[in-house]
Amino acid sequence: NAGVTQTPKFRVLKTGQSMTLLCAQDMNHEYMYWYRQDPGMGLRLIHYSVGEGTTAKGEVPDGYNVSRLKKQNFLLGLESAAPSQTSVYFCASSFPGLAGRTDTQYFGPGTRLTVL
Amino acid sequence: LAKTTQPISMDSYEGQEVNITCSHNNIATNDYITWYQQFPSQGPRFIIQGYKTKVTNEVASLFIPADRKSSTLSLPRVSLSDTAVYYCLVISGYSTLTFGKGTMLLVSP
Repeated sequence: NAGVTQTPKFRVLKTGQSMTLLCAQDMNHEYMYWYRQDPGMGLRLIHYSVGEGTTAKGEVPDGYNVSRLKKQNFLLGLESAAPSQTSVYFCASSFPGLAGRTDTQYFGPGTRLTVL
Repeated sequence: LAKTTQPISMDSYEGQEVNITCSHNNIATNDYITWYQQFPSQGPRFIIQGYKTKVTNEVASLFIPADRKSSTLSLPRVSLSDTAVYYCLVISGYSTLTFGKGTMLLVSP
């Protein structure tokens, strides 16, 4: 059971380049999330998905797009990278939760992205 | 969403009990309190969750007073490996998680 995996672990981009971050989970979770974490800060939610084929915006969605074509995968895309997108990106997944409360989220190891 | 306030940092020594208090004055009736732990260069990890009174698991205890306006995460006999950032979050139904800056706990020998 690998849990939540993220590809790649590190990446350096030039301003204006595009890239896709891949998140995969093998726990059959319905919900998946993308966060970014800047130095000394907590995590901020970028986009999330409550099921295959559905996505929703989080707190800081601008400059990012996502897709959930398969239940186990959640892709985060940067169409035109900017230095402000230099950050560590974490993916997480969870079950929907019982009794109307958010269930425990399981996080991946992170992707460290630098945009020059 | 209820806003949480917790200390920016705390220091302790190995073998001591550490208590991290979080205030959440605007917590709603159906909200839960949950704590996550994050080691450097890793994603956060769930520690414990509770609604009221006391919850205990193999790694921590969570104390929630009757008015639920605060909660205290208790780590018994900390070791160097407990050095991490600890986040207090209030869960409102199916809302997504909102992470603050957390509390940086430094455990020294």
